[in-house]
Amino acid sequence: DSGVTQTPKHLITATGQRVTLRCSPRSGDLSVYWYQQSLDQGLQFLIQYYNGEERAKGNILERFSAQQFPDLHSELNLSSLELGDSALYFCASSVDSGGFTDTQYFGPGTRLTVL
Amino acid sequence: AQTVTQSQPEMSVQEAETVTLSCTYDTSESDYYLFWYKQPPSRQMILVIRQEAYKQQNATENRFSVNFQKAAKSFSLKISDSQLGDAAMYFCAYRTLNNDMRFGAGTRLTVKP
Repeated sequence: DSGVTQTPKHLITATGQRVTLRCSPRSGDLSVYWYQQSLDQGLQFLIQYYNGEERAKGNILERFSAQQFPDLHSELNLSSLELGDSALYFCASSVDSGGFTDTQYFGPGTRLTVL
Repeated sequence: AQTVTQSQPEMSVQEAETVTLSCTYDTSESDYYLFWYKQPPSRQMILVIRQEAYKQQNATENRFSVNFQKAAKSFSLKISDSQLGDAAMYFCAYRTLNNDMRFGAGTRLTVKP
């Protein structure tokens, strides 16, 4: 158990809908990262938040957005869902002492199925 | 752009034997971190080992060790005394200065009893 929690574990929805994935980082970790793992694209970094502020952006679609709240939990919002958005979405967290040296610990993931 | 290549989609090893998983990467940065993550059937991503590029000494974690060749941009993972529980997908990853992680396509390791 990495200490990172994600809810829900599974989510099934229809095209065009909007969903919210939730992540709680390990105690003491200030950074949260979101990743998408799909069969055709592999593991892709989406976005990083550090102490409430966006720090780094990867291959995140405009239909997707994220935020980190004062209690440091994070939410990933996916809207106008398409079949291709079906994937496993991971959240990871790290202490992030200011450099890029910190190890990221992954949550169990949320499996999203878009029908 | 940094890319990570794992040239072995699948590998198999006999229980108690040693196996090496290959990884190469492309970067123009001088300081960076490399990681191996394991993803068992549960799909959880588990950190196996990490290597700081400025350290010449290869990282070791119990039965897991790396062979880091900075000039060749190679970062292979050696698993000694393989166990049935080592069966999983293994991902090599590079952490950029922008704090995002670039992952390879993965190597599926099978351990035969």
